[in-house]
Amino acid sequence: DTGVSQDPRHKITKRGQNVTFRCDPISEHNRLYWYRQTLGQGPEFLTYFQNEAQLEKSRLLSDRFSAERPKGSFSTLEIQRTEQGDSAMYLCASGEEAHLVFFGSGTQLSVL
Amino acid sequence: GDSVTQMEGPVTLSEEAFLTINCTYTATGYPSLFWYVQYPGEGLQLLLKATKADDKGSNKGFEATYRKETTSFHLEKGSVQVSDSAVYFCALSAVSSASKIIFGSGTRLSIRP
Repeated sequence: DTGVSQDPRHKITKRGQNVTFRCDPISEHNRLYWYRQTLGQGPEFLTYFQNEAQLEKSRLLSDRFSAERPKGSFSTLEIQRTEQGDSAMYLCASGEEAHLVFFGSGTQLSVL
Repeated sequence: GDSVTQMEGPVTLSEEAFLTINCTYTATGYPSLFWYVQYPGEGLQLLLKATKADDKGSNKGFEATYRKETTSFHLEKGSVQVSDSAVYFCALSAVSSASKIIFGSGTRLSIRP
């Protein structure tokens, strides 16, 4: 087991384009989280899945953001019509319990 | 709402110095408390945790004690090394929302040889 895997590591896109990130959690983990981290700040919670069910979404997750975890394994986070303010590190984490989660290395998004 | 406030950085110390990074929290009920560390070029790693009042979390020479009376969870290490240079995040997992972790803004620590 190599931990939480995120792809791509870096993404550069033009404003208005759509982007999709993938997260592969640790295989036996039923909890999966997405966070966003901007420079000099701590990660901010975006959304949470328990198996394939999306149980919680932050108000930070605007209508342009959508996340899925179709079979309770990997997850995708899509951002439509990207804006410069979406530039950030997008982190995925997984765990078997709420108080012990493991983070991936993140996808760094730059919107030009 | 629930929040975490931690000491602003950067903090620069000489090797073998004593380290304290202050962290206080605001939360309803009794959250679990964590310190995460982010080494240069790497992802977030859990450093230590405490799940109830007066618990002490420890790992790699770092310690933090859950102080309910002062709503604090200060990180300490008796003798820092160059390899401890990283960004440290204090965080809580709230009772009201056990599915998410709320992070402080991070403290960058640099250790001089």
